[in-house]
Amino acid sequence: KQEVTQIPAALSVPEGENLVLNCSFTDSAIYNLQWFRQDPGKGLTSLLLIQSSQREQTSGRLNASLDKSSGRSTLYIAASQPGDSATYLCAVRDESGAGSYQLTFGKGTKLSVIP
Amino acid sequence: DTGVSQNPRHKITKRGQNVTFRCDPISEHNRLYWYRQTLGQGPEFLTYFQNEAQLEKSRLLSDRFSAERPKGSFSTLEIQRTEQGDSAMYLCASRGGWGRGLEAFFGQGTRLTVV
Repeated sequence: KQEVTQIPAALSVPEGENLVLNCSFTDSAIYNLQWFRQDPGKGLTSLLLIQSSQREQTSGRLNASLDKSSGRSTLYIAASQPGDSATYLCAVRDESGAGSYQLTFGKGTKLSVIP
Repeated sequence: DTGVSQNPRHKITKRGQNVTFRCDPISEHNRLYWYRQTLGQGPEFLTYFQNEAQLEKSRLLSDRFSAERPKGSFSTLEIQRTEQGDSAMYLCASRGGWGRGLEAFFGQGTRLTVV
């Protein structure tokens, strides 16, 4: 069964700092990996999708990398802003089996950017 | 198109009552998912529709839960005889295309509180 772990569970940084969020998964046979942002009491906003054949994806100040063989992904946020404060969730879709229909999520990293 | 829409946003119900939630996916998306999220946890998969067919159900989906997607458009999730343990955020997501590669988009969720 696929398991996704996100470290750290919470992170507090001063505004302007660059930061990295980590995601690891136990079964490397994934089809893709998706990063989401969730504000308190809200739904999920898709940030980046990385296919298993890709190494990284970029959107604005965000850069996500994928090392499928080692079961790891990182989300890099450049020049952090207070508006980046949210919980960041990582999710994977398996290549086959029951997990191929669904996303398996980590518990998220709660980011606070201090002005 | 304004994205995935869920109604109601909040629902408070007494234990033992039945509740029904609605999800309207992005119009061209043929895949629809329901997830449940409790405080401090990542979303957990409940069920998946491709067009009107319910192709997968999680073991989390007890006999008290039922989901439908008539005509492959909107979907409803009904919980019968609600219990306090059903209190959670219920999230709907949709995805388009014929492959598994395209990203999933989530709604704002329905927060259920069972008192």
